[in-house]
Order: sequence, then C-alpha cells, then structure tokens
Amino acid sequence: AQSVTQPDARVTVSEGASLQLRCKYSYSGTPYLFWYVQYQRQGLQLLLKYYSGDPVVQGVNGFEAEFSKSDSSFHLRKASVHWSDSAVYFCAASRIAYKVIFGKGTHLHVLP
Amino acid sequence: DAGVTQTPRHEVAEKGQTIILKCEPVSGHNDLFWYRQTKIQGLELLSYFRSKSLMEDGGAFKDRFKAEMLNSSFSTLKIQPTEPKDSAVYLCASRPTANTGQLYFGEGSKLTVL
Repeated sequence: AQSVTQPDARVTVSEGASLQLRCKYSYSGTPYLFWYVQYQRQGLQLLLKYYSGDPVVQGVNGFEAEFSKSDSSFHLRKASVHWSDSAVYFCAASRIAYKVIFGKGTHLHVLP
Repeated sequence: DAGVTQTPRHEVAEKGQTIILKCEPVSGHNDLFWYRQTKIQGLELLSYFRSKSLMEDGGAFKDRFKAEMLNSSFSTLKIQPTEPKDSAVYLCASRPTANTGQLYFGEGSKLTVL
C-alpha cells in the first residue's frame, strides 16, 4: 500500500540555524511529490513540488527539497530558518488521476 | 480567481445531531477532496471526486459520513449522527486537472461535538 512517512512529529531549531525535515514514501513507481505548509488556523499551502528531472527543487521562501529514488525520500531543507517559519509541514505523494496521500506532518518550532 | 471557500469556519454540535459542511472549489477545477485533520492521525481522506463522480470513499468513514457534489462548483459533507470523536478540522481541496497534482486548500471547518 502507498504511504508517506514523516518520522519527526516535532522539530525545534533556533532562528538562523539550518533545517532538514524528513520524508520517506512507499509507492509503486515514482509519484509526484509535494511539500505543503500549514500556518496556524489556515489551510495548507504548497511549498514546492517534484515531477521529474533535477532531483533538487526550489520552493518559496528559500525552501528546497531533494528527491532520492534509491532512498525513496524527499527531504525538505532550508539554510537559515526564521521565526515566521514556525508551522506544520506536510509531505505528500500522488500519481496522475489519483488521490493524494499525506504524511502526518512535522510541527516546526523556531526559537527566536 | 477566488480560492477554495469553506463554510462554516466553526461549528458546535450536540452528540447525535446532523451537520452539513460546505465547500466551493476553485472555478474550473475538476477534482475535489475532503479530508479530516486531527493532531493524532494527520490528514485522512474522506472522499475524492473527479468531475462530480465519486472516485474514492474513505472506508472507515462510510457509515456516518456522506460527501456529495451537487454541481461542479459546490460540495457538501454531511455527518449524521455526530459523535464527540468527530471533533476535528475538515478540509476541502480542489485540483485543476488530474495531471498537475497540486491541491488548493480551503481554510477548513472546525467541528466541535459535545
């Protein structure tokens, strides 16, 4: 069965530190991969997406993610976090004309 | 273009009541999804429609949850009868075509069942 796993429920980092949020997927074939962010009391917003090609994709607000087929991973990174990055981050996977499967999310807390 | 609109933003119900949540997708989008969001389970798929046809109905939710697309621009989620464990945020999302993958989310409807 297809699944998306985010092993870290909560991550705390200091402002200015680098960040990596982990995501592993289990899928037959290579799915489309996404990272979404949810700020408090809001809906989810797309950060970035990967369909094919260059395994490193750039997103909004300085975020990037790297796809690894061998590792079945799609980790999210940022070089220097800001307090406003505090939010819940969701990794997701989908195929053409198919439902979207989400991980359970990682709650990021940035210490000022 | 307007985004996904969900109403009401907040709903408080007594156990056993029927509640209806509403969603207007982005104009022209073909796919519509309903998710339930809780801190423990994350996002759980309730229903998935493509061009108003039901493609997937979350197995664990079939007995008391019913989603419908009344037309291409309006969907409802009915919970009948409600139970305290239904307290959660219900998210609606739409997608322009099946090829792009990206979902556009509403801000959610927070349901509290007493």
